[in-house]
This record gives sequence, structure tokens and C-alpha cells, in this order.
Amino acid sequence: KAGVTQTPRYLIKTRGQQVTLSCSPISGHRSVSWYQQTPGQGLQFLFEYFSETQRNKGNFPGRFSGRQFSNSRSEMNVSTLELGDSALYLCASSVTGEGQPQHFGDGTRLSIL
Amino acid sequence: EDQVTQSPEALRLQEGESSSLNCSYTVSGLRGLFWYRQDPGKGPEFLFTLYSAGEEKEKERLKATLTKKESFLHITAPKPEDSATYLCAVQATGNTGKLIFGQGTTLQVKP
Repeated sequence: KAGVTQTPRYLIKTRGQQVTLSCSPISGHRSVSWYQQTPGQGLQFLFEYFSETQRNKGNFPGRFSGRQFSNSRSEMNVSTLELGDSALYLCASSVTGEGQPQHFGDGTRLSIL
Repeated sequence: EDQVTQSPEALRLQEGESSSLNCSYTVSGLRGLFWYRQDPGKGPEFLFTLYSAGEEKEKERLKATLTKKESFLHITAPKPEDSATYLCAVQATGNTGKLIFGQGTTLQVKP
């Protein structure tokens, strides 16, 4: 069974630009969650999508947004990039998002110059 | 506020030297507690889910236990390939899709 796939693996951007990251969940998983991982803050929850609807949201500014498509694939967008947005962005999927384990992709490493 | 604290931050063991990692949590209502392993440059890999106090799960050299306030990950006779960062996370009742993670314990096992 294929795992969670994230593209691209690496991205380099400059301040002020915007970026879109993609996530393909495990087949049959309808919940997709996004996390930001940094050495200082660890793993922090961004938002969760289920059936094309955002069900839950973390404490991040509105520059961070996402969407989910009818095939459960999800994208995350960050606008007006700041130096502090440099991080590993992880996507995770689960069947319903309620109490089951989340399975993670290997992430997109975003570097802001 | 829901919170997860892991200790120690780092642990160095000799091959075969058993030890335990601690995960203390405060959560309004526990939906599930999860253990993950993360290798450098990779995403977290799922290990165990625990749902209620007294529950135990075991896999090879790893055993996870749960009480009302903390969880332990026991590592028996570790091998160098067990070296990784171990992450503990909780999901609160009603908080769909959201895991709250601890800062992790980085384990190094020397041959």
C-alpha cells in the first residue's frame, strides 16, 4: 500500500513570494492534517481537512491556507513568505481523523532566503 | 491548555542497555496517545496507539504503557538501529485531526 506522498521535497524561495505544497494521502484516508516542524517549536498543527472542508485550525496567521480536493489530495499555500517560515512541512493522513493513527509523508523542506 | 512534555531530551545507551522514555500529558479529554519514531530527513513513523489507562502495546524491543497522566516507552536490549528521535503525541476529544506533540527524545545506541 502506497504511503503519503508529498511534493516537492525541497523548495527555496525568497521573502515576499508565495508557495504551494502538495500532499497525496493513503488510499481510503479522507482526513489530511498539516504540520510545521522547526528545531525550536517542534511539530505544530496547522489545519485539518475532511471531505473538502477545513474542520480544524491551529494558531497560524491567515497567510497559511489549504484546500482539499474530491480525491482527498490536499494542497497548502503560504503567501508573503517570511524568513521564519523556513521549516519542514509535514502532511499526515488518517481514515477519519478521529482517534486513529496519522501516517506522515517525508515532508517538504522549505527554505526562505 | 493541552500539553505534552517528554523526558529526557536526549539519551545515550550502550547496545543491550534497557531504558525508558517518559511522556507526561495534560489534556481535557484523551482521545488517543500516539508514539512515533522519526529518523533524520524523514517524516514520523507510527509505532503505537494507546487509548485508556492500563493499556499496553508491544512490538519487537519496544513496549508502550499508559496511565492517566503519563506514558512510557520501554526499550529492551536496544540495538544501534533503534537510534532515532521518539515523539509522543495526544489527540484531545473533539479535536479532530489535531495531534499535540512533545519535543521528543533523541536516542543514541552505541555498539
